[in-house]
Amino acid sequence: EAQVTQNPRYLITVTGKKLTVTCSQNMNHEYMSWYRQDPGLGLRQIYYSMNVEVTDKGDVPEGYKVSRKEKRNFPLILESPSPNQTSLYFCASSLYSGSGYTFGSGTRLTVV
Amino acid sequence: EDQVTQSPEALRLQEGESSSLNCSYTVSGLRGLFWYRQDPGKGPEFLFTLYSAGEEKEKERLKATLTKKESFLHITAPKPEDSATYLCAVRNDYKLSFGAGTTVTVRA
Repeated sequence: EAQVTQNPRYLITVTGKKLTVTCSQNMNHEYMSWYRQDPGLGLRQIYYSMNVEVTDKGDVPEGYKVSRKEKRNFPLILESPSPNQTSLYFCASSLYSGSGYTFGSGTRLTVV
Repeated sequence: EDQVTQSPEALRLQEGESSSLNCSYTVSGLRGLFWYRQDPGKGPEFLFTLYSAGEEKEKERLKATLTKKESFLHITAPKPEDSATYLCAVRNDYKLSFGAGTTVTVRA
């Protein structure tokens, strides 16, 4: 089944403890992206990647890192999480620049 | 900067009561306008892509249309299972910019 898989689905962590949210797609898509969704603010892009080893900042990149060493994987790294990074995170992928993104099921992160 | 504005914020409908959702946008270099459906706590689910003014797409009770400045999502004779948040988004090359969404509630 064609899909975007994120792990974990739920995560509670403490301020300052490094964490990684994994994302993998099995559709051979070129583009991948991370979004966060907050009440009243909608979906905002954190980082995107156009291909292996090519990444760029979205609208809200502060406090996040990404890497794209393989085409299928696009992990999101929080080096020192803070409470304002508590949010619902979505990974997404698309085949080319004019196609829509396919979204993962989401990761609900709580930083205390 | 790309902007997407959706209205209304919320819509309460009686089963069978048709209505329309609006999405107005400004974007440099439109690569496509997308409609998604999102259920609480889940990822957005793709519905339609529209690429040029005058284009229309249909799926079951939903129909999306596109002009140069806005898009409409028409819901015909909705059922309770159509209750969800409907998101509009525009794409330029790499970025998909979303509106805040319209939350539709359909009462039986």
